[in-house]
Amino acid sequence: EVQLVESGGGLIQPGRSLRLSCAASGFTFEDYAMHWVRQVPGKGLEWVSSISWNSGSIAYADSVKGRFTISRDNAKNSLYLQMNSLRAEDTALYYCVKDMEQQPPDAFDTWGEGTMVTVSS
Amino acid sequence: DIQMTQSPSSLSASVGDRVTITCRASQTVTSYLNWYQQKPGKAPKLLIYVASDLQSGVPSRFSGSGYGTDFTLTISSLQPEDFATYYCQQTYSTPATFGGGTKVEIK
Repeated sequence: EVQLVESGGGLIQPGRSLRLSCAASGFTFEDYAMHWVRQVPGKGLEWVSSISWNSGSIAYADSVKGRFTISRDNAKNSLYLQMNSLRAEDTALYYCVKDMEQQPPDAFDTWGEGTMVTVSS
Repeated sequence: DIQMTQSPSSLSASVGDRVTITCRASQTVTSYLNWYQQKPGKAPKLLIYVASDLQSGVPSRFSGSGYGTDFTLTISSLQPEDFATYYCQQTYSTPATFGGGTKVEIK
């Protein structure tokens, strides 16, 4: 079974840092691009960042560029999102998402259940 | 960035109804248009990719059509489990933008 399990969310003060992790299983992780997508509860979906299969192509939404860093460890079947200088507007449920192809973006065919990040003093 | 506009933002329908949701892109996305279903408290689920291809395991009552800037998701006969929010998404260019969503409610 293809599965993505996020961790690392929580309550964090503005300006602080947080690192999200995503453990992948049930598919050949190194063959696919991956994404982070976030959703404020009750609101729509916002793509945050993507990384190609070999980390050769990385992209960020303007809203997080310069503050967030996406990375992956294919040996550990893991995806990461380092979030620095967090703001209240970063508060959201963060989903780890598998792409259908090696190079993003293509359809997002598998989603984790998400990890909640709340930025508040 | 390519803007995606869905209509309507919500609709009420009965079991057995034919439901159509529209998505319009601010510029061409050729056929790089996907549809997702999200139920309350759950992650989104891919229904349709490249405008009209049905994702594995998705019931055939779901179909997609369109090319360029105008796209449609159709549910041929609405079932109780189809009440959810539906999102379109373009993957023609980065950032991969989503529409604002269409909430399908029970009449």
